[in-house]
Amino acid sequence: NAGVMQNPRHLVRRRGQEARLRCSPMKGHSHVYWYRQLPEEGLKFMVYLQKENIIDESGMPKERFSAEFPKEGPSILRIQQVVRGDSAAYFCASSPPEGEGETQYFGPGTRLLVL
Amino acid sequence: DQQVKQNSPSLSVQEGRISILNCDYTNSMFDYFLWYKKYPAEGPTFLISISSIKDKNEDGRFTVFLNKSAKHLSLHIVPSQPGDSAVYFCAASARASNTGKLIFGQGTTLQVKP
Repeated sequence: NAGVMQNPRHLVRRRGQEARLRCSPMKGHSHVYWYRQLPEEGLKFMVYLQKENIIDESGMPKERFSAEFPKEGPSILRIQQVVRGDSAAYFCASSPPEGEGETQYFGPGTRLLVL
Repeated sequence: DQQVKQNSPSLSVQEGRISILNCDYTNSMFDYFLWYKKYPAEGPTFLISISSIKDKNEDGRFTVFLNKSAKHLSLHIVPSQPGDSAVYFCAASARASNTGKLIFGQGTTLQVKP
């Protein structure tokens, strides 16, 4: 059973470009979460999605950031007009449907570097 | 406002001895707690969890203790092995809030010396 998959593992963008980060949850998992880790800090919650629904986006910056989890395909975290402060490791996690477990399992992360 | 705190940035122990990692929280709505281990350039790996209805959970070499009155939890690793050297994060969630989000501490870097 494959774990949570994220791609790309590393992404370099120039200021003003767009970054698209993809996450495929574990098989059978229907909940996806995105977290961001800045250097020397812990992980910070960004957004929680189920298929075609955003459940909680309280950790998302108000501008330039968006996330989706379509009916088919991976979850996408999109950052428009990137700035140097967006440089961080972005982790995706997934968990089973309600009643089947609460533990979140993490992917390997995407390391975004903005030049 | 740091709701989950790991006050020790680092810990060094000898192989075979006990490692004790500590975590404090402030939000009394938290009812589910987890420990993750993280190697550089990898994602966090789930280790062990505990619900607020329990005060202890054990899985092999790993035991988590929860003291609700003190809002404190700890992870014990016995015996410690060099492969345990990593950054350890505690995390908490308030399941009743239905958001599912985890609040993480800043992490403790454990070094186990051979």
